[in-house]
Amino acid sequence: GEDVEQSLFLSVREGDSSVINCTYTDSSSTYLYWYKQEPGAGLQLLTYIFSNMDMKQDQRLTVLLNKKDKHLSLRIADTQTGDSAIYFCAESRGSYIPTFGRGTSLIVHP
Amino acid sequence: DSGVTQTPKHLITATGQRVTLRCSPRSGDLSVYWYQQSLDQGLQFLIQYYNGEERAKGNILERFSAQQFPDLHSELNLSSLELGDSALYFCASSVEGRNTGELFFGEGSRLTVL
Repeated sequence: GEDVEQSLFLSVREGDSSVINCTYTDSSSTYLYWYKQEPGAGLQLLTYIFSNMDMKQDQRLTVLLNKKDKHLSLRIADTQTGDSAIYFCAESRGSYIPTFGRGTSLIVHP
Repeated sequence: DSGVTQTPKHLITATGQRVTLRCSPRSGDLSVYWYQQSLDQGLQFLIQYYNGEERAKGNILERFSAQQFPDLHSELNLSSLELGDSALYFCASSVEGRNTGELFFGEGSRLTVL
């Protein structure tokens, strides 16, 4: 299996919450990240969490980390059409070079 | 705008040819990373340079090579191109060789091999 796995698609209605899930294999991961890629653009870091944290909140974004299950999630509250993009989960170890999942395409419809 | 510039944005070439992709990192960033994004492999790390020296190597083929110049720009050379090399190639930069892993990505160079 791959080092970082995430579902490929998520469709939500505008105003609802979106939850994007990710699992990783390496328990020695130091940092875990969520990057966002909009059409025609490069990836942009949304948020990251250090491995000794369980939760991080930043405005509409909430990251939850379950180290025991090696599970990371990103919750976007009050999802807007402008949130439509591909969201990449990533992890890094000692080298701090992120290993990315394949990305989850978030589709927000009115 | 991330501050990372990649050229060309699009490139179409034939099998067996050689191409060079160019990247200018953000001002002040010493590290440059190259990633390949394809439908079947996802986003794969190729190679990292730090201040002109190779720092880490990922899934980079022997037909590919890279370098970072004294002005910190980097080039990725792809030779003996195959159809499977068609992909989006991203360059990213960061402040220093070891940090929290926040990378700043360019918009990518889309390579099509016919």
